[in-house]
Amino acid sequence: QVQLQESGPGLVKPSETLSLTCTVSGGSISSYYWSWIRQPPGKGLEWIGFIYYDGSTNYNPSLKSRVTISVDTSKNQFSLKLSSVTAADTAVYYCARHDYIWGSYMDYWGQGTLVTVSS
Amino acid sequence: DIQMTQSPSSLSASVGDRVTITCRASQSISNYLNWYQQKPGKAPKLLIYSASSLQSGVPSRFSGSGSGTDFTLTIGSLQPEDFATYYCHQSYSTPPVYTFGQGTKLEIK
Repeated sequence: QVQLQESGPGLVKPSETLSLTCTVSGGSISSYYWSWIRQPPGKGLEWIGFIYYDGSTNYNPSLKSRVTISVDTSKNQFSLKLSSVTAADTAVYYCARHDYIWGSYMDYWGQGTLVTVSS
Repeated sequence: DIQMTQSPSSLSASVGDRVTITCRASQSISNYLNWYQQKPGKAPKLLIYSASSLQSGVPSRFSGSGSGTDFTLTIGSLQPEDFATYYCHQSYSTPPVYTFGQGTKLEIK
């Protein structure tokens, strides 16, 4: 059974960089796409971007200037960096798996991790 | 970006009721439409993919239909565990920018 687990600081100061890692267990990170999605408290879901195991990426244009997603296949992990954060970036951050780009669906999700941006 | 609009935003229903939630895309997305269920404090769970295919392990009272711009999620006979928030999600746009509906909160009447 594939499992995803997000990890990283739960509190980040304004203007700093948010860094999270998603560790994949029970299966290989290879041959799949891996997305980050976030959900501000009490609000809906926003897709941040995805990475393929070969390192190719695609980002939401609304966040593209601040987002970097990377992968470490040797550790079965992928990571998110979001720079210059503000209070608007406070959210639960999820990682998720999908098989392909178009027509895809996210069949495995991490439990989510709350990141609060505050001084 | 392709905008996804769900209706209603909230819905009250009773156990045993048949419920339908609608999702409309701002342009045609073929059948590249998925539905997720989210309970408080939990990650979204995939229910329906490609508009009408039931994800493995999901009860058969859940069904999906539609293509193009208009889609529906139907719960045949509501069970207590079905009270949750439901989201639609499109994976059609080029370049790929995935978007979700704003969610429909299903509450107990």
